Amino acid sequence: AQTVTQSQPEMSVQEAETVTLSCTYDTSESDYYLFWYKQPPSRQMILVIRQEAYKQQNATENRFSVNFQKAAKSFSLKISDSQLGDAAMYFCAYRSRGGATNKLIFGTGTLLAVQP
Amino acid sequence: NAGVMQNPRHLVRRRGQEARLRCSPMKGHSHVYWYRQLPEEGLKFMVYLQKENIIDESGMPKERFSAEFPKEGPSILRIQQVVRGDSAAYFCASSPVGGGMRQPQHFGDGTRLSIL
Repeated sequence: AQTVTQSQPEMSVQEAETVTLSCTYDTSESDYYLFWYKQPPSRQMILVIRQEAYKQQNATENRFSVNFQKAAKSFSLKISDSQLGDAAMYFCAYRSRGGATNKLIFGTGTLLAVQP
Repeated sequence: NAGVMQNPRHLVRRRGQEARLRCSPMKGHSHVYWYRQLPEEGLKFMVYLQKENIIDESGMPKERFSAEFPKEGPSILRIQQVVRGDSAAYFCASSPVGGGMRQPQHFGDGTRLSIL
């Protein structure tokens, strides 16, 4: 079974600085998807960025980018120029590409605080 | 373009009562997923449904929990004879087909269930 591990329960960053959130996963599959979701205090789950495992190039969405290391099974999220609105819980998630189920497997999350 | 709609936003039940949580997927989406988030934890997959079919219920507790997604109307997650341990946030997500890269799962705002 696949598992997702986020080893940093909490992180803090100064406004305008850069922060990296860690995520590792365990799978025997070769093709899959990886996601980062953001959950602000309002509890809404917001998709931040996504990566296909067979793509070498790291995904980028404005100030958000990932460092995808397939051999190491690592999928970290980098937030550049941090803003107060980035403060939230961040969840890493895994999804198999094949098979009948489309379920997402989530890590336990990292709570990011942004200091003014 | 309305997103995934969940209601109620908050639901309070006494032990032994039934809880019904509703989810209307985004327009054009025919796949629905239910996740549960216990306090201080990540989201855990419960069940994946397509119209009138349960595709994967591997995350559903064996007793008291059931889910449906009828041909017409919202998806319903039903919890019978609720207990204190059922207190959690329940999230619904939807996708048009398969929830792959181009069609990730979009989440609702969740229903917070509190058991007295």
